[in-house]
Parts: sequence; structure tokens; C-alpha cells
Amino acid sequence: KAGVTQTPRYLIKTRGQQVTLSCSPISGHRSVSWYQQTPGQGLQFLFEYFSETQRNKGNFPGRFSGRQFSNSRSEMNVSTLELGDSALYLCASSLIGAGANVLTFGAGSRLTVL
Amino acid sequence: SQQGEEDPQALSIQEGENATMNCSYKTSINNLQWYRQNSGRGLVHLILIRSNEREKHSGRLRVTLDTSKKSSSLLITASRAADTASYFCATAYSGAGSYQLTFGKGTKLSVIP
Repeated sequence: KAGVTQTPRYLIKTRGQQVTLSCSPISGHRSVSWYQQTPGQGLQFLFEYFSETQRNKGNFPGRFSGRQFSNSRSEMNVSTLELGDSALYLCASSLIGAGANVLTFGAGSRLTVL
Repeated sequence: SQQGEEDPQALSIQEGENATMNCSYKTSINNLQWYRQNSGRGLVHLILIRSNEREKHSGRLRVTLDTSKKSSSLLITASRAADTASYFCATAYSGAGSYQLTFGKGTKLSVIP
């Protein structure tokens, strides 16, 4: 059974640009959650999607957005990048939702904003 | 905040010793989960303990939950160098019709060979 796949693994952007990250969940998993991890703030919840609908959202500005497709694959987008957006972005999938089930994480996408 | 708080923030032990990490939280939960993260990589699930359970084991791992004290502990027995990683507790609670899972900042464990 293939795991959670995140692409790209590493990327470098400059301030003001935008970035799109992709996540392919485990087959059969309908929930995809996104987390931002930084040394100072730890793991911060961004949002969760279930069956193409955003079910929960963390406390992040509107520059952070996401979506989920009918095949459960998910993307997140960050517009107008700031230096503080440099982080490891982690995607996790589960059968019916974070909390109700355990999460299976991808290896992450490491974003560096210069 | 629902976020769990791990204690200690960092722990260094010799191979073969036991390692104990603690997690405290503030509000009622449905379950509590422990995850491990090797440097800069994704998290790996270790154990889920439900609010009506007091103790669970998995191999060399033992997790306890005390809902009256709002705390949990993770014990790793006979530690190995390969156990070197960061360990996170995550608290799950249901609200507004769905669950939310919130992570603490983690305990960084170093096991010295």
C-alpha cells in the first residue's frame, strides 16, 4: 500500500511569490490534513479536507488556502510569500478524519522563502 | 488552548535506559495520540489511547492516561540509538460535528550508544 506522497520535497521561493504544494493520500483515505511545522511554533494546524469540503481551519491568514479533488488528492497554496512562511509543510491522511483515526503523514515539503 | 504540552523539552539518556516523556492538556479529550518524528521528516503514529482507557502497550512502548489530571506519559523501555527522535503528543476532541487534533511542541530524545 503506497504511503502519503507530497510534492515537491524541497523548494525555494522569494518574497511575494506564490507556491502550490501537492499531497496524494493513501488509497481509500478521504480526509487530508495540512500542518505547518517551524522550530518556534511547532506543528500548527492549517486545514482539513474531507470529501472535497473544508471541514476545519486553523488560525492562518487568508493567504493560505487549499482544496481537495474528487480522488482525495489535495493541494495547498500560499500566496504573497513572507519570510516567516519558511517551514516544513506536512500533509496527513486518514480514513474519516484527524482525531477520529490516526494520521499517516507524508515526508513533507520544505519551503524556504528568501 | 487545547494544545498538549510535552515535558521535558529535551531528554538525553544512555542506550539501555528507560525514557519517560509527559504530556499535559487543558480540556476534555476523546483520545490522545503519540507520534514520533525523525529529524526533518514526517511523523509516524505510535499509539492511540482513548479517554476511557488508562494504559496501553505496544512493544517497548507503554502509554498511560490520567484524565483526572489531564496528563499522559510515554515510556520507552530499554532504549536504543534508533529511538533518537522527537516525540509528540496530540489531543483529539470533537466539536462542531468533527474532530480536531492538536499537537504539542514535542520532546527531543537523544539516546547515546
